[in-house]
Amino acid sequence: GAGVSQSPSNKVTEKGKDVELRCDPISGHTALYWYRQSLGQGLEFLIYFQGNSAPDKSGLPSDRFSAERTGGSVSTLTIQRTQQEDSAVYLCASSFTSEPRDRYYEQYFGPGTRLTVT
Amino acid sequence: KNEVEQSPQNLTAQEGEFITINCSYSVGISALHWLQQHPGGGIVSLFMLSSGKKKHGRLIATINIQEKHSSLHITASHPRDSAVYICAVRSWETSGSRLTFGEGTQLTVNP
Repeated sequence: GAGVSQSPSNKVTEKGKDVELRCDPISGHTALYWYRQSLGQGLEFLIYFQGNSAPDKSGLPSDRFSAERTGGSVSTLTIQRTQQEDSAVYLCASSFTSEPRDRYYEQYFGPGTRLTVT
Repeated sequence: KNEVEQSPQNLTAQEGEFITINCSYSVGISALHWLQQHPGGGIVSLFMLSSGKKKHGRLIATINIQEKHSSLHITASHPRDSAVYICAVRSWETSGSRLTFGEGTQLTVNP
């Protein structure tokens, strides 16, 4: 079946512009995660959606970053007034429900969106 | 100090060698992943484990919960194993199932 898809695969934008990154999770997966991988650095958590619960936004680096998930499926990560330090690969992952705590389902990663802010 | 530490950062091996990558973590976890990231950037989950040992082909992953340590072994390494290997944990101390990642180990296997 289809895996996690992300679009665009590459995005070059000028400093100060807004960008939207899209993630289509695997059908039936209720949990969706956004991660970021800056050049030469490890992956870091940004935001997590679980079903209809309020998202865990604790990893968002600033209020210029926001994300939404419509209809429990597709998610959009928006970065307003982009800065050069926002340049990174943005990865989306999805999994089956992650609750209750004693059960944990594997996350499947998308190919990522490489964002370059000039 | 990072919650997840990997060693070594870089590893170069000759084809056929036995390879070990180590991961230590400082938090209580419910699961640990070993991920593989190819030069193109795609990430593939190799193993998810919470205890004991798992084997898939030439890859073996072990975890010692008491010592908070995991190892990824590659037997009979091959140039196509060249990639970044990332250890990631799901911590009891964070909400949901988000992962905390190590810095990764860049593996290069020469023919």
